[in-house]
Amino acid sequence: AQKVTQAQTEISVVEKEDVTLDCVYETRDTTYYLFWYKQPPSGELVFLIRRNSFDEQNEISGRYSWNFQKSTSSFNFTITASQVVDSAVYFCALSEASYGNKLVFGAGTILRVKS
Amino acid sequence: EAGVAQSPRYKIIEKRQSVAFWCNPISGHATLYWYQQILGQGPKLLIQFQNNGVVDDSQLPKDRFSAERLKGVDSTLKIQPAKLEDSAVYLCASSRAGRNTEAFFGQGTRLTVV
Repeated sequence: AQKVTQAQTEISVVEKEDVTLDCVYETRDTTYYLFWYKQPPSGELVFLIRRNSFDEQNEISGRYSWNFQKSTSSFNFTITASQVVDSAVYFCALSEASYGNKLVFGAGTILRVKS
Repeated sequence: EAGVAQSPRYKIIEKRQSVAFWCNPISGHATLYWYQQILGQGPKLLIQFQNNGVVDDSQLPKDRFSAERLKGVDSTLKIQPAKLEDSAVYLCASSRAGRNTEAFFGQGTRLTVV
């Protein structure tokens, strides 16, 4: 069964601190995809990254980096030198090849960055 | 490129009334999704269309919810009659055809049932 767990309900940091958002997933498929989305107060979900299950290489994009570890079924997201504009709800999501593009989302982590 | 358009942005209705939401996906996107996001939770897929055919509606409460995408472009989601627990944000998303392409989301319609 598909399941995504984001254990951190809410995180508060001070600007310029680094912060890591945790994501743990469950799947029986060998082919699957993992996503991170950002939901600012405006409400729409903004796509950040997609990784497939065969590519465990970590990725860095500016201040954002992602650590994918199949051994622990985790796909964690780190923001370096956080900024107030990073304040949002962040969702981790999973889709399995056998279920097409259906996304199963975690409950989300609220990130508050204070100046 | 224009994003996913949804209307209305907000809607307040009384329980047992009916309501409809509209979505216009990104041009050229064959796949359209409706998600329900209850406050404090992640979005949950209600229905997925590929062109004008339904791919997955396993989590759609069919006794009260219906959706259509007649011409394979825009889509309408209807609730009739509404219940208090239907209060949520209804998100529409679209993606290109093909496996596991990223979905682009609209701003959603916030429904409050009183």
